This record gives sequence, C-alpha cells and structure tokens, in this order.
Amino acid sequence: GAVVSQHPSRVICKSGTSVKIECRSLDFQATTMFWYRQFPKKSLMLMATSNEGSKATYEQGVEKDKFLINHASLTLSTLTVTSAHPEDSSFYICSASRTGVGSNQPQHFGDGTRLSIL
Amino acid sequence: GNSVTQMEGPVTLSEEAFLTINCTYTATGYPSLFWYVQYPGEGLQLLLKATKADDKGSNKGFEATYRKETTSFHLEKGSVQVSDSAVYFCALYLGGSEKLVFGKGTKLTVNP
Repeated sequence: GAVVSQHPSRVICKSGTSVKIECRSLDFQATTMFWYRQFPKKSLMLMATSNEGSKATYEQGVEKDKFLINHASLTLSTLTVTSAHPEDSSFYICSASRTGVGSNQPQHFGDGTRLSIL
Repeated sequence: GNSVTQMEGPVTLSEEAFLTINCTYTATGYPSLFWYVQYPGEGLQLLLKATKADDKGSNKGFEATYRKETTSFHLEKGSVQVSDSAVYFCALYLGGSEKLVFGKGTKLTVNP
C-alpha cells in the first residue's frame, strides 16, 4: 500500500536553531501534502496545506515565517521550524493526499516527528 | 461548517470488555467517514471507513456504521485487547480538495 516516510522521527536541539522535517511519498505522487501538529492532550491541529510548485496555505494562527514549508517535488515536502524555542516542542505529523484509483483514503500519514527544544 | 465531535475520554477498560467510542458529525454535504488509530509514538493509521449511509466499516474486530439519520459513526469492538490501547480519531472527508476534519481523539487504555 501507499507509504509516507517522515524523517527524522525524533530530534532534540538547542533553542534558537532551525530544524527541518521531511515528508516523502514513497510510491505515489502527491500534489498536496499536509502538516499537522499534535499537542500533549492528543488533539491534531492542521498547520498548513502544502501544494507542489506553489506557496503553502497556512491555517489561521500559524506563523508562516516560523514554519516554512517547501513542496518542491511531487514526492517531497519539508517543514522547517525556524529559530525554534521550547514552546515549539511537539509532535509533528505529515500526510500526503492521494485520491482516485488505488487509494482507500484521502490522506496517508507519516509516522511523525517528535521535536524537543531545550 | 464541517465538524466532528467524539467522546474525549480517556477510556479505561479491562481486557475483553466491550468498547464504544461515540462520534457524531456535522457536514455541508455527504461525507466519507473514517476512524484512524494512533499507537504510542506513531502516526495515524486508517482503521476503517464508510463512504455512504448505512455502510459498515470493519477491521481488526472494530466496526462502525454510517448513520445518516443520527449523523453518527460510533466505533465498537466486542472484546478489546491490551494491544488496542491507542488514541482513536474520528474524521470526515467531503472529497476533492477538501481537508480531513478530525475529532479531538479518544485515548483508550486496556488493562490486562
């Protein structure tokens, strides 16, 4: 079945550094990918919709200069948390959109990235 | 607007107990409905789905029936196992370029 790979699975870094998270669709092309943030009480928040070849669409309240999204190819989207601070510590999950023949669900999810900022 | 409401829990059960996690939705059209499961430290996996009214989705002993009259998609399992401990998300999807709309998730803990 469709697989979405997210890397790294865990990252710990110092406050002020920038962190890049990759999301790859391994066996299909995804014109649209999504980035979610999951808070400690488990709720999922959609941060942005990433469209291949164009600017990402951010949800209300998400700082686009803080969370940079690049979707340069049909199989790769990246989320860069710039100048990360402890409050950015969270679990980030990506998903890739796949519709039509061969798909049993609208989005396939990565395994998430646990980001810890010290 | 479109929204999903599910019981927030947490839900704690003993092994072999019966499970119900309620989910109701509000949608402007005719959505497909999903249950996703998230095991500790992992991303979301599709558990089951239903695409139209009266459809029943089932997988791994879990079932949910798409009830249009009550706008519900309750998740059930007759006998839970410790390995079912996870967070369960109900979601709806209206198709095309629409987003998945998630409920807030329900944490299930099954004790031996």
